[in-house]
Amino acid sequence: SQTIHQWPATLVQPVGSPLSLECTVEGTSNPNLYWYRQAAGRGLQLLFYSVGIGQISSEVPQNLSASRPQDRQFILSSKKLLLSDSGFYLCAWKQQNTEAFFGQGTRLTVV
Amino acid sequence: KQEVTQIPAALSVPEGENLVLNCSFTDSAIYNLQWFRQDPGKGLTSLLLIQSSQREQTSGRLNASLDKSSGRSTLYIAASQPGDSATYLCAVKKGGSEKLVFGKGTKLTVNP
Repeated sequence: SQTIHQWPATLVQPVGSPLSLECTVEGTSNPNLYWYRQAAGRGLQLLFYSVGIGQISSEVPQNLSASRPQDRQFILSSKKLLLSDSGFYLCAWKQQNTEAFFGQGTRLTVV
Repeated sequence: KQEVTQIPAALSVPEGENLVLNCSFTDSAIYNLQWFRQDPGKGLTSLLLIQSSQREQTSGRLNASLDKSSGRSTLYIAASQPGDSATYLCAVKKGGSEKLVFGKGTKLTVNP
């Protein structure tokens, strides 16, 4: 069966520090991968998605970036965090035209 | 641009009641629609996926319907239980795109 792992579960980082969140999927190949951010009262905002290795689509211009170094690995990064980067980050995967499945999320607090 | 709206934002019902959650979308050219459940501080759990060619899907006490032409979907929960308390989100996928567009969710509280 397919599983998705996302870590860490919680993270507290100072302003200006770097960020690296990792997401891996098991039990499937060539999935579409997604990073969402969920802020209170604002719903889920799509940040990046990838339909293949090295293929990244950015939805929102910001100081975050994403990479897909392997088929089932998706990484969200920042060189310098801002206070506004605080939020709940969710990774998801799906095969084309099928259900989407989400990880358990990372609660990021920038202080 | 596709917009997804869920009304009401919050709903409180007594245990045992049947209830309906609503989801509307502005662009009817969707490929499928998915309902999710989210518990506080957790990720999203997929409940039901309806393809654009389908009218409804059922899983246990849950029944989701889709009226693509009118841009509406409903999630019916029968005999609600306190364990159903969560935020319910709907998301639509447009044909030719791999993006999901989400509503802001309905927070459901089922009181014992």
